[in-house]
Amino acid sequence: GESVGLHLPTLSVQEGDNSIINCAYSNSASDYFIWYKQESGKGPQFIIDIRSNMDKRQGQRVTVLLNKTVKHLSLQIAATQPGDSAVYFCAETKAAGNKLTFGGGTRVLVKP
Amino acid sequence: EPEVTQTPSHQVTQMGQEVILRCVPISNHLYFYWYRQILGQKVEFLVSFYNNEISEKSEIFDDQFSVERPDGSNFTLKIRSTKLEDSAMYFCASSEEVGLARSFGPGTRLTVT
Repeated sequence: GESVGLHLPTLSVQEGDNSIINCAYSNSASDYFIWYKQESGKGPQFIIDIRSNMDKRQGQRVTVLLNKTVKHLSLQIAATQPGDSAVYFCAETKAAGNKLTFGGGTRVLVKP
Repeated sequence: EPEVTQTPSHQVTQMGQEVILRCVPISNHLYFYWYRQILGQKVEFLVSFYNNEISEKSEIFDDQFSVERPDGSNFTLKIRSTKLEDSAMYFCASSEEVGLARSFGPGTRLTVT
């Protein structure tokens, strides 16, 4: 049968601008969230994580925001660089759980 | 920085054949996982493994799939009789604890013809 691919939303960003990538997660019981970056032909690469007892966490050039009320997660990338071009996935799990559930992904294209 | 490694990077096999995908998790990690990603689709959980046994598996992980940790370093995924729809990238991952982020390997691209 025909295989239906995932139509990724795409965020085009000018180099140097800030990027915001959004994710709606599905399970209200999830209490641990991770953002991964995936470059073409490679495995997911950990960027930053956050637990449900926090609503904001900052890393180097990245910030994750968690809004549990509306089950929403966002990733902010400051001063986006060409090397940030990739697909970004949010993933959710229960802290004591085994199964990490990935979201659909957002493609970020950085324009020079 | 330690990394998860996987071999081979690309495996082509005929439908009905058995394949074994190999992974070397990060050495001090205790939890091991297999995920797959069909081209253009989400990354999907297959199975988790801890203390020499499966701790959770998805509905995808049927009787055709098995995992093994044959020694202290390798972690393998076997597909007994491959089907066309098994064509995908297969990612191995590991974590130090169940509640920590998984480190993913570079993947094995499996093509079933």
